Amino acid sequence: DAGVIQSPRHEVTEMGQEVTLRCKPISGHNSLFWYRQTMMRGLELLIYFNNNVPIDDSGMPEDRFSAKMPNASFSTLKIQPSEPRDSAVYFCASRGTGGSNQPQHFGDGTRLSIL
Amino acid sequence: AQTVTQSQPEMSVQEAETVTLSCTYDTSENNYYLFWYKQPPSRQMILVIRQEAYKQQNATENRFSVNFQKAAKSFSLKISDSQLGDTAMYFCAFPSAGGGSQGNLIFGKGTKLSVKP
Repeated sequence: DAGVIQSPRHEVTEMGQEVTLRCKPISGHNSLFWYRQTMMRGLELLIYFNNNVPIDDSGMPEDRFSAKMPNASFSTLKIQPSEPRDSAVYFCASRGTGGSNQPQHFGDGTRLSIL
Repeated sequence: AQTVTQSQPEMSVQEAETVTLSCTYDTSENNYYLFWYKQPPSRQMILVIRQEAYKQQNATENRFSVNFQKAAKSFSLKISDSQLGDTAMYFCAFPSAGGGSQGNLIFGKGTKLSVKP
């Protein structure tokens, strides 16, 4: 079975530009998570969805960040306008039914560099 | 508040030796799972092992095993016969909602393990 698929793998863009990160969860999984990882702050949860509904977005840094999950097989994380401090690795993870005692399965991440 | 603490930022071990990575957590829940994830230089986050809190038997996956002490809220990872490919960051993780249908994982800060030839 295919794992969690993220695109792009790398993104380099200039500050002020809009950035869209994409994620396809594992088929049948009903929870999806967006994380950001930096050296300074480690792994931070940004937002997660359960059955396509956002459950907790308290980790979203500010209004420049938005996330959507229009259906069970696709989610986007958008940053507009982007800033150099947004440079990080962004992970998407999905989880099967059974709640938070089930493991999360991670994509390979998107390395984002804002110049 | 639920927390996960990994007190060893970095560790090293000789190839073929055994190493133990520590993790402690704080919760008022009684029934939950605990996880160890591995992040090699390729940056993938890979599930290593999972422990059920209501099981007294420690989980084992090949060379990886846990020492779970529920009363002490300790969940250490033992790697036996260390291999060069075990070089990675290791994260301990714990469900924030104690196992409910909603809830994410709380991750520790990680331990960077270097296996030396």
